[in-house]
Amino acid sequence: GAVVSQHPSRVICKSGTSVKIECRSLDFQATTMFWYRQFPKQSLMLMATSNEGSKATYEQGVEKDKFLINHASLTLSTLTVTSAHPEDSSFYICSVPSRGTSGGSGTQYFGPGTRLLVL
Amino acid sequence: RKEVEQDPGPFNVPEGATVAFNCTYSNSASQSFFWYRQDCRKEPKLLMSVYSSGNEDGRFTAQLNRASQYISLLIRDSKLSDSATYLCVVNSGGSNYKLTFGKGTLLTVNP
Repeated sequence: GAVVSQHPSRVICKSGTSVKIECRSLDFQATTMFWYRQFPKQSLMLMATSNEGSKATYEQGVEKDKFLINHASLTLSTLTVTSAHPEDSSFYICSVPSRGTSGGSGTQYFGPGTRLLVL
Repeated sequence: RKEVEQDPGPFNVPEGATVAFNCTYSNSASQSFFWYRQDCRKEPKLLMSVYSSGNEDGRFTAQLNRASQYISLLIRDSKLSDSATYLCVVNSGGSNYKLTFGKGTLLTVNP
């Protein structure tokens, strides 16, 4: 069965609205979760590392005020795209490191992704 | 130079063919290496880890050459269900164990 869930799977919204995406670790607690973005025919790009109990760590070029991350519990991280614009349309995927690590082995379980379309 | 580079393909092969994918990485400090598979409009799924000694999982064989910073994946006796994008993934280690993905190589296996 699924190890990581994401909700919603698909969002279509108007420009200027905020969109919240949830990522849940179903099988085990995760102090760290990762958020990625994938544009068509491009690589997955790490946006940020979500840390339970502390601030998220953002990758270079990712605006922390635009992409708000809240690691509310050991099984839930949320990504809010604030004031979304058409260029934010993308496939957003979260991942959870394999159990017992913070990603050290490199093996990560990916959520099914959220497809965002901003009109 | 990109951190992880792959031949984007596409590769179109008949069923039963053997196909090989190559990947190079730029960070010599990289510690772990993987091949993930991504189906159209789906999330990536781990296919196999890649070890220095080379490793095999059924029809799939992965090789790593640290000196050349080169990774390969060989698929033998390809099946229709092997059609997907194959992602070369490198874990650079460090404090956050960041995964860096290649753009992927698209494989289509034809009947």
